[in-house]
Amino acid sequence: AQSVAQPEDQVNVAEGNPLTVKCTYSVSGNPYLFWYVQYPNRGLQFLLKYITGDNLVKGSYGFEAEFNKSQTSFHLKKPSALVSDSALYFCAVRGSISSGSARQLTFGSGTQLTVLP
Amino acid sequence: GAGVSQSPSNKVTEKGKDVELRCDPISGHTALYWYRQRLGQGLEFLIYFQGNSAPDKSGLPSDRFSAERTGESVSTLTIQRTQQEDSAVYLCASSFYSGNEQYFGPGTRLTVT
Repeated sequence: AQSVAQPEDQVNVAEGNPLTVKCTYSVSGNPYLFWYVQYPNRGLQFLLKYITGDNLVKGSYGFEAEFNKSQTSFHLKKPSALVSDSALYFCAVRGSISSGSARQLTFGSGTQLTVLP
Repeated sequence: GAGVSQSPSNKVTEKGKDVELRCDPISGHTALYWYRQRLGQGLEFLIYFQGNSAPDKSGLPSDRFSAERTGESVSTLTIQRTQQEDSAVYLCASSFYSGNEQYFGPGTRLTVT
């Protein structure tokens, strides 16, 4: 079975400071990893993904994430936070089909990011 | 271009009634997913369609839930004899293929009174 853990329900950071939203995963085979953002009363928006290649993945709105295989982590980062980044962030994972993984994504419980002005 | 659309955006129904939720995926996307998001919680997988293959229904919580998809187009999620615990936002997503990123619709907020 595949699973995702987002250990922090809430992250607060001051505007202009770097931010990190943590994610660890468990999956069969090589992982497909995703980050999504959800603004109030809106659907989820895709931010970035890791499938293969460079461990540092760059995505929308200046966000990036670092894949660490040994720590089974995929933390979301941004060098300088904006107030407008305040939203709910979800990490998601699935394994490779060849390993028998499910095709649907398994989502973490979400982390509420608040950027303080 | 057009994204994933869902209708209705809000639905209030009485306990015991049936409801039907609709999802229009992005044109050309072969994979379609339904998820449920309860208040303050993460996404719960319900069902997955890929092309003409048999759907993966492993996430449906009970036999009151069913879904259909016509080819690679519209999907409907039906909840029969609704219960209060069915109250949630129902999200639909589509992707070009099952390995790719999913694009989500705005959701249908279902309230069962």
